[in-house]
Amino acid sequence: NAGVTQTPKFQVLKTGQSMTLQCAQDMNHEYMSWYRQDPGMGLRLIHYSVGAGITDQGEVPNGYNVSRSTTEDFPLRLLSAAPSQTSVYFCASNYRGQSYNEQFFGPGTRLTVL
Amino acid sequence: AQSVTQPDIHITVSEGASLELRCNYSYGATPYLFWYVQSPGQGLQLLLKYFSGDTLVQGIKGFEAEFKRSQSSFNLRKPSVHWSDAAEYFCAVGARSGGYQKVTFGIGTKLQVIP
Repeated sequence: NAGVTQTPKFQVLKTGQSMTLQCAQDMNHEYMSWYRQDPGMGLRLIHYSVGAGITDQGEVPNGYNVSRSTTEDFPLRLLSAAPSQTSVYFCASNYRGQSYNEQFFGPGTRLTVL
Repeated sequence: AQSVTQPDIHITVSEGASLELRCNYSYGATPYLFWYVQSPGQGLQLLLKYFSGDTLVQGIKGFEAEFKRSQSSFNLRKPSVHWSDAAEYFCAVGARSGGYQKVTFGIGTKLQVIP
């Protein structure tokens, strides 16, 4: 199993450009999430999904869109990049269950917006 | 809403010394508590978790943590630190929000290990 994969690893954008960060998992996990990590702020939840076709907003959703057409994939779209979106982005997935199940994290995408 | 406080942003310890990383949480009910580790340029890896039962939990890589409800704390400990433990450590609290298990992370503690 590859686990959670993210592409690209690094990306530089100009203000106003759009792009999609890719996330895929091969563990058949129902839940998938996107976080951003900024110095001194830990990880903050952007959007999440509890299954194919179902998404919801997290703590910092503005400027980002998501969709979940398959169980495996959960892309994050930046519609019009801004310097405030410079960050490291992590995708995570986990099983749904009665108790909490461990989140598995991808290696991250480091995004710089100029 | 839940929250997590990690009061130490940066800690330096000597190799072989003991380690304790502090974590305080705020949550109305019994929380799910976690410690994650992040090596430079990597994603997060779960070290250990607490849901219920024994308040002293053992994790991977020789780490343990103790849940103290009266102090709203979940401190991470290791009796003897190795150079490979240098990383950033995140405490987190989880709670159900509808059908989703929402996790709130602390800001992290960066551990430096000196020879």
